[in-house]
Amino acid sequence: AQTVTQSQPEMSVQEAETVTLSCTYDTSESDYYLFWYKQPPSRQMILVIRQEAYKQQNATENRFSVNFQKAAKSFSLKISDSQLGDAAMYFCAYLISSGSARQLTFGSGTQLTVLP
Amino acid sequence: SQTIHQWPATLVQPVGSPLSLECTVEGTSNPNLYWYRQAAGRGLQLLFYSVGIGQISSEVPQNLSASRPQDRQFILSSKKLLLSDSGFYLCAWSVRRDTEAFFGQGTRLTVV
Repeated sequence: AQTVTQSQPEMSVQEAETVTLSCTYDTSESDYYLFWYKQPPSRQMILVIRQEAYKQQNATENRFSVNFQKAAKSFSLKISDSQLGDAAMYFCAYLISSGSARQLTFGSGTQLTVLP
Repeated sequence: SQTIHQWPATLVQPVGSPLSLECTVEGTSNPNLYWYRQAAGRGLQLLFYSVGIGQISSEVPQNLSASRPQDRQFILSSKKLLLSDSGFYLCAWSVRRDTEAFFGQGTRLTVV
């Protein structure tokens, strides 16, 4: 079974600094997708960034970027110039395809605190 | 644009009472639909998914059931709630040939 591991239950970063959140996954598939979702206090899950496994180039979305190491099965999220609004729980997720259904497997999350 | 609506936002129910949580999607057709549960301080666990009307797959054995009476409507139900059913429930949808899932705002269920 596929698993997603986030080894940092909590992280903190000073406003305007950079922080990296770690994620590793276990799979025997060669083609898959990886995501980072953000869950602020409102608890709505918001997609931050996605990475296709077949792409070697790391995905970026403004201040958010990933370091995707396929051989190591590692998918870390870097947040640059951290802002107070970045404070949230961050979940790493892996997408498998089973027939016509697509199912996300989530890690246990990392609570990010941004210090003013 | 596509939107997903989930209600109610919060719910307090006594043990043994029935449950019905509703989720609807607008702006798309034939989506994949999902129900997730999130225990306090933990990740999301997939409960049910549906690829079409009347087609429900269950991921974990439990006290809950799901139904999809219409293309863009997904309902989570229980005949008799247990204390262990308390949690945060999230509905989500995805396009079949696309990848990421989009989530509703969630329902916080407290069984007392």
